[in-house]
Amino acid sequence: EDKVVQSPLSLVVHEGDTVTLNCSYEVTNFRSLLWYKQEKKAPTFLFMLTSSGIEKKSGRLSSILDKKELSSILNITATQTGDSAIYLCAFQGGATNKLIFGTGTLLAVQP
Amino acid sequence: DAGITQSPRHKVTETGTPVTLRCHQTENHRYMYWYRQDPGHGLRLIHYSYGVKDTDKGEVSDGYSVSRSKTEDFLLTLESATSSQTSVYFCAISELGGGYGAFFGQGTRLTVV
Repeated sequence: EDKVVQSPLSLVVHEGDTVTLNCSYEVTNFRSLLWYKQEKKAPTFLFMLTSSGIEKKSGRLSSILDKKELSSILNITATQTGDSAIYLCAFQGGATNKLIFGTGTLLAVQP
Repeated sequence: DAGITQSPRHKVTETGTPVTLRCHQTENHRYMYWYRQDPGHGLRLIHYSYGVKDTDKGEVSDGYSVSRSKTEDFLLTLESATSSQTSVYFCAISELGGGYGAFFGQGTRLTVV
């Protein structure tokens, strides 16, 4: 059964800190790994990582895919209170393009 | 914003009644998904569709059915609502090669009393 596991479940940091969020997966027919940010509404897309694109960066956020270790990390540098959210990792793949999510990491950034 | 709309946005219903949630897209995307989100559980896949009339079960499909008779609409039905189905329901759409995974609707908050 396909499975996505995220750690930690929750995290509290202070503004300016750097955080690393983890995602591991046990899946068949991997196509892509996705990261989303969710505040008080629907998740919003951050990154897509595939075999041909294992590292992505956007501003203070970056993500790396390790296909050998079946894992990914999301880094946020110089955190701000606006980074407080749930960060979701997801696997997409299989013949039917199934999309399954981990339980998420709740990040709280304190002033 | 991606053209995806969920209706209704909020609903309160009684235990034992049937409920249908609608997801409508204007993007002509092939893949559509229904999720429920509860505290501590992230997004759990209920059912998904990989084409018109092609659907498959997710990890929490018991008590739910779906239908997709045309590309733009994906319906989720609770045959006989129970209190355990009180949740926030999200629909998502996706297309291969898009480079963005999936877009989400605004969500439907369903309360079963």
